[in-house]
Order: sequence, then structure tokens, then C-alpha cells
Amino acid sequence: SAVISQKPSRDICQRGTSLTIQCQVDSQVTMMFWYRQQPGQSLTLIATANQGSEATYESGFVIDKFPISRPNLTFSTLTVSNMSPEDSSIYLCSGGENTQYFGPGTRLTVL
Amino acid sequence: GENVEQHPSTLSVQEGDSAVIKCTYSDSASNYFPWYKQELGKRPQLIIDIRSNVGEKKDQRIAVTLNKTAKHFSLHITETQPEDSAVYFCAATNNAGNMLTFGGGTRLMVKP
Repeated sequence: SAVISQKPSRDICQRGTSLTIQCQVDSQVTMMFWYRQQPGQSLTLIATANQGSEATYESGFVIDKFPISRPNLTFSTLTVSNMSPEDSSIYLCSGGENTQYFGPGTRLTVL
Repeated sequence: GENVEQHPSTLSVQEGDSAVIKCTYSDSASNYFPWYKQELGKRPQLIIDIRSNVGEKKDQRIAVTLNKTAKHFSLHITETQPEDSAVYFCAATNNAGNMLTFGGGTRLMVKP
């Protein structure tokens, strides 16, 4: 299994600013993913973080808004740029070779 | 792409009863189906999974069945306990290490 940590666990930000969320895995994993979860809703995939190449974004998500880095096989970051209140959500990363394990999430509130 | 439908959206049972949650998927290439339990404010936790080469898998009080022909899979929880109360998500993917497509979730409430 993989143990995944994220930071920050929560943040309150002003509109127009940016926040970078970090995700650390305790073992090397080929693929890492970033999801968004609105309160009371399911998980929606934002993008696949590829090591050594640009992230692959799902429909409705763009690199300018959600830039992602993947410098190695155990770490990734997601930046939420130029935030608006609509970006308030929980952001989760996941990774794993034989199944997907999730980080604890980052609860973001944009005022 | 893959589409996963999950039913029911809410389920209330008496302690000791069984609970069944059903999911359907659209992509015949999907071959890995995990189930996650998410308690309030916590991360999704994997509780059981099944691969397309088996039809059923059991782990104590929980079991999952898979019907590849009909493209549906189900979670069965027997002898439910109040601590089973949570939101359960099914998911599907064509590779266990690949991205997951989630169902909409089922809020299970077990009444003591």
C-alpha cells in the first residue's frame, strides 16, 4: 500500500490569489492524480500528473488555472491560480501501483 | 470515456440488516473496480476491490460481485453496524494504477 500526505490540510484565501498544494507519497508510483470534491459530491478528476512530462487535463480543467508539477515519482504539486469563490472545494491527490490510495485532502475556502 | 452510475444515493438500514449498493459502468475495457468508504471529513478509504477475472470477492462482512456481461457490480454489507455509516463510492478503470471514474456515491445510514 501507499501512504499519501498532503499539505496544507486547509486554507482560507482571498480571491485573485493562488495556492499550491503539495502531495507526498511514501513510495515511488508511476502515476499520481488530482481530484476535486465539492461538499456532498463525488470525486472529479482534474488531471493526471506525469513524471517528466506535462500533466494530462480532463475536460473543463486547464493548465493555466491548475498548473501541476511532478518532479519525481513520489511528489506532485497542484496550484489553484487566480482563485474565485467557485474554487472553494476539497482537493485530493491519489497514487498507487495496484490500486489508488488517497491523501487526506486540502479544504480550500476562497473569500 | 467511462461513465459510472451508482444507486441508491441514500440508504437507511437497521443495525444488523444487510445493505446493497449497485453500480453500472459503460466501458467494456474497464477491468478493475474498487470501492471506497468516506467518513465525514476524512479521505476515501479502499475497503474492497475486484478485478474482471473473478465474479465475487469477500472480506468478512463485505463482499463485491461483478457481472461483466451486464456491466454492473455491487457491494454487499452484512450485519451492518453503526460504524458502517458513511458515504460509499464505487469506481472503475481499465488499469488498477490508472485514473478512476467514480460513481455518484451512496450515503449509508445504519440506525441503532
